[in-house]
Amino acid sequence: GAVVSQHPSWVICKSGTSVKIECRSLDFQATTMFWYRQFPKQSLMLMATSNEGSKATYEQGVEKDKFLINHASLTLSTLTVTSAHPEDSSFYICSASDSSSYGYTFGSGTRLTVV
Amino acid sequence: GENVEQHPSTLSVQEGDSAVIKCTYSDSASNYFPWYKQELGKRPQLIIDIRSNVGEKKDQRIAVTLNKTAKHFSLHITETQPEDSAVYFCAASQAGTALIFGKGTTLSVSS
Repeated sequence: GAVVSQHPSWVICKSGTSVKIECRSLDFQATTMFWYRQFPKQSLMLMATSNEGSKATYEQGVEKDKFLINHASLTLSTLTVTSAHPEDSSFYICSASDSSSYGYTFGSGTRLTVV
Repeated sequence: GENVEQHPSTLSVQEGDSAVIKCTYSDSASNYFPWYKQELGKRPQLIIDIRSNVGEKKDQRIAVTLNKTAKHFSLHITETQPEDSAVYFCAASQAGTALIFGKGTTLSVSS
């Protein structure tokens, strides 16, 4: 079946630094990538939608200059959290779609802790 | 945009009982309704889904029903087991667009 590899699985960084999270679709072309954030005991909240070769569309309240999304190829999308602060600590997870079906394939998630 | 409401937020049942979780959605254009089970720190795991052209789907102990007129869908788990204990999320989308999730239900099955 479809697989999305997400790295790193966990990361601890200092406040003010940047962290990059990668999602790679291993056996299909991910024309669309969705990025979610999940705080403890809460639901998955959509942050942004990116289509290969296009600028990402951000949900209301999500700072596009803070959460940089790049989807330069059909197999790789990245989320960079810039100038991270403790309140950015969360579980970040990507979900890929090939847009031709109802299939959504989730990455394994990244636990980000900002100290 | 789409908004998905999910109830109850917590559900406790005895082993062997049935559990029902209900969701409503707001966007009549949504046509795909999956249910996910999520364990702590893990990715959501698809357990069953339904598309708008059917009213019910069953897979062993799990079933989902959809009422498009009322814009609600439900997850039914029969003969619950302790290993069914987890957080369950409903979601709604149109094909190719983002899944919008409900707030989740924590199911506890006690033996």
